[in-house]
Amino acid sequence: GAVVSQHPSRVICKSGTSVKIECRSLDFQATTMFWYRQFPKQSLMLMATSNEGSKATYEQGVEKDKFLINHASLTLSTLTVTSAHPEDSSFYICSAKGLAGGSQETQYFGPGTRLLVL
Amino acid sequence: GQNIDQPTEMTATEGAIVQINCTYQTSGFNGLFWYQQHAGEAPTFLSYNVLDGLEEKGRFSSFLSRSKGYSYLLLKELQMKDSASYLCAVRRPDYKLSFGAGTTVTVRA
Repeated sequence: GAVVSQHPSRVICKSGTSVKIECRSLDFQATTMFWYRQFPKQSLMLMATSNEGSKATYEQGVEKDKFLINHASLTLSTLTVTSAHPEDSSFYICSAKGLAGGSQETQYFGPGTRLLVL
Repeated sequence: GQNIDQPTEMTATEGAIVQINCTYQTSGFNGLFWYQQHAGEAPTFLSYNVLDGLEEKGRFSSFLSRSKGYSYLLLKELQMKDSASYLCAVRRPDYKLSFGAGTTVTVRA
């Protein structure tokens, strides 16, 4: 149990285009989903927190108009990187928190999406 | 603010034991997690401590002392597949996680 999927796993796009990344909790309902970014050899940095049916809350320094988050259902959250630039190239990871296996204690991570902006 | 420190790298021999320390100074504490992350992959959950003491789960154990702001992850009977980065993460009262920079463990034959 407690499986979180992400799609796509890898994407290459041209500068100025927008990219959408999906995060799904496959076998549990995620009350909250988190989006992280990880640059090479660095730790995960929380970008935003998304609760189903409400607006996402963004961490300090993260542009909400650039990183659009939609949490339309208890099993799906999407992150759209708008007008992507090379400095947005990174590993984007989502995690989901919910009643997985009867525990609300743990965040379960998706496999990540590697974004390369040319 | 959040300050979470762990060593950058550790090397150990197959079959040995390695202890990864994590110290933290955070504004609020609601549990400490350890995750394993292989290169290019997402973190996988290893352990969770919210009360002081030792939690044992197979070859992995995790210890927490809240008064000292200190935790360690103990890996026993090391295997080659244990070569990975180990992340210490503190959960804040708002349930958000703050991660340390990670400790890269290299297991040598």
